[in-house]
Amino acid sequence: NAGVMQNPRHLVRRRGQEARLRCSPMKGHSHVYWYRQLPEEGLKFMVYLQKENIIDESGMPKERFSAEFPKEGPSILRIQQVVRGDSAAYFCASSPRDSLGSPLHFGNGTRLTVT
Amino acid sequence: AQSVTQPDIHITVSEGASLELRCNYSYGATPYLFWYVQSPGQGLQLLLKYFSGDTLVQGIKGFEAEFKRSQSSFNLRKPSVHWSDAAEYFCAVGNSGAGSYQLTFGKGTKLSVIP
Repeated sequence: NAGVMQNPRHLVRRRGQEARLRCSPMKGHSHVYWYRQLPEEGLKFMVYLQKENIIDESGMPKERFSAEFPKEGPSILRIQQVVRGDSAAYFCASSPRDSLGSPLHFGNGTRLTVT
Repeated sequence: AQSVTQPDIHITVSEGASLELRCNYSYGATPYLFWYVQSPGQGLQLLLKYFSGDTLVQGIKGFEAEFKRSQSSFNLRKPSVHWSDAAEYFCAVGNSGAGSYQLTFGKGTKLSVIP
C-alpha cells in the first residue's frame, strides 16, 4: 500500500507568489490533517478536512492560507502572497477515522522556502 | 491548553548504550500520549502510544515508554541503541476537543549515535 504522498518535496517561491502543496492520503483514508513544522520547532496543527468539508481550521492563519479536500483528487494547501515567515516543512497526515485510537500516517512533507 | 516539554534538545549516546528521552506533558484530563520518530527528510513514524491500562507500553524497533501520572511524564527508553536509531524524536499529546483529532507536539530531541 502506498503511504501518504506529498508533492512537491521541495518548493521555492519568491515573496508574493502563491504556493500550492498537494497531499494524497493513504488508500481508504478519508480524514486529512495538515501540520506545519517551523525550524527548531515541533509540528503545529493547522487544519483537518474530510472529503469536501473543512472540519477544523483552528490552527490555520486567518489570512492567505486555505485548504481543500475535493471529492476527487488530492488535498491542497494553498498559501497566497507568501512571505519569508512561511518557510517551513508542511506535513500532511491521514487516518481512516477521526479518533485518537486511529494513529496518523504522515507523508514525507513539502519543504517550502520563500526567497 | 495542553503542552508538551522535551527538556533535551540534543542527546548523544554510544551504540549499544541505553537510552532515555524525557517528555513531560500538561493536560487536564487523561492524556493520550504518543512518541514519533523522524529521520532526516522524512515524515513522522509512530513508535508507540498510550491511551489507558498498563503504564508501560511497548513499541516498534525495541522502544518502550512508561506513563507516570504523578510526574506528568512519558519517557521513551531503549535498552541498547543501534546506529540506525539516530533521528529526531517527538513526544505528543492527543486532544479530542474542538471536534477533531489534534496532536500537540514537543519541540523534539535529536539523537546522535556514536559508533
